[in-house]
Amino acid sequence: DAKTTQPPSMDCAEGRAANLPCNHSTISGNEYVYWYRQIHSQGPQYIIHGLKNNETNEMASLIITEDRKSSTLILPHATLRDTAVYYCIVRASGGSNDMRFGAGTRLTVKP
Amino acid sequence: NAGVTQTPKFQVLKTGQSMTLQCAQDMNHNSMYWYRQDPGMGLRLIYYSASEGTTDKGEVPNGYNVSRLNKREFSLRLESAAPSQTSVYFCASSDFGQDGYTFGSGTRLTVV
Repeated sequence: DAKTTQPPSMDCAEGRAANLPCNHSTISGNEYVYWYRQIHSQGPQYIIHGLKNNETNEMASLIITEDRKSSTLILPHATLRDTAVYYCIVRASGGSNDMRFGAGTRLTVKP
Repeated sequence: NAGVTQTPKFQVLKTGQSMTLQCAQDMNHNSMYWYRQDPGMGLRLIYYSASEGTTDKGEVPNGYNVSRLNKREFSLRLESAAPSQTSVYFCASSDFGQDGYTFGSGTRLTVV
């Protein structure tokens, strides 16, 4: 009963924007959308999260549709170091045991 | 640098041996977590501690025990290791609310 659906893999050219989609059609009103990435065998790295408004930080932008059933993580100028597995997670605010990681999307940035 | 520190980084155990994985964070976070990641798969939650003095089971707690020693430290113990526990173990921490988690670099455990 995965809460999110992501494509298993994507490619992106170096220097171009990488747009990673995520479907979460059963998201509840109090659930946030989180994005993490895992480079090679390192620990996952938190990227960004949002509730319903679009969010931007130094790493990425998060675009959430108005009905909140899907979102897109945007890496504006992908580099080779952005090659990683990207995880989209929905989670209620304040929860302690519901940051559940699925299979994610393997993004490969190519020269 | 501030963050989550895990020890050891690598460990090989024989079936039936016991060991404790250590985790410490210096960000004054309230909550701490133990995950395992099997090859080619996502992370699965083993145990978590929402705050100092409390621990609870996650998705895959069988074969493990945990101790929240103090606010900084959260250890994971394998009492009798089995080959099925061969995995990479990640510790993470977070503050209350909707903050993201900070992960350690992992412990790669092989049980032969």
